[in-house]
Amino acid sequence: GNSVTQMEGPVTLSEEAFLTINCTYTATGYPSLFWYVQYPGEGLQLLLKATKADDKGSNKGFEATYRKETTSFHLEKGSVQVSDSAVYFCALSDSFYGGSQGNLIFGKGTKLSVKP
Amino acid sequence: DSGVTQTPKHLITATGQRVTLRCSPRSGDLSVYWYQQSLDQGLQFLIQYYNGEERAKGNILERFSAQQFPDLHSELNLSSLELGDSALYFCASSVEAGDVYEQYFGPGTRLTVT
Repeated sequence: GNSVTQMEGPVTLSEEAFLTINCTYTATGYPSLFWYVQYPGEGLQLLLKATKADDKGSNKGFEATYRKETTSFHLEKGSVQVSDSAVYFCALSDSFYGGSQGNLIFGKGTKLSVKP
Repeated sequence: DSGVTQTPKHLITATGQRVTLRCSPRSGDLSVYWYQQSLDQGLQFLIQYYNGEERAKGNILERFSAQQFPDLHSELNLSSLELGDSALYFCASSVEAGDVYEQYFGPGTRLTVT
């Protein structure tokens, strides 16, 4: 079945450091890929998405590129801030055109702490 | 604020009891999804409704059931509760955004079973 694997945390960085959180997936066909962020005590927020190979999703300085050849969707940010401290989840849903109803399969989450 | 509301925020109950969690989707969204977030299982999809009908089922236990009402709000019923059912329960609603469904999550209901 479909699955998502992301790097285990926690990840601790200093402000302005470069961030990479690795995510790989297993799926048939052409899934849609997402990164969600969960701030302490809150629900999940969609951070970015990509729906086909080589698409790059970006938002708030975060980027991720859909790599079909390596089945990966790594999250990157060039310069993190204290306010980026949160848990980040990689997720996939089956292809929209394959009849997907949109339900998401999540990785286990990576906790990021950014120190001033 | 995602526009998805969930009540109650917290729920504490005893083993063997039954509880109902409520969710209202964003205005105009017809789909509602339920997810469970626990320390050992992570975030798992439970069930989805679209305009009152069940559309997809995930790892939902037989002791759990859900429904979506004509006003589109949804309820998740959990019965014969066990300690292991303690978790955060999220509801989400979705919108078609081109070739993908974007899901918007509520703040969650934290269930503690003692």
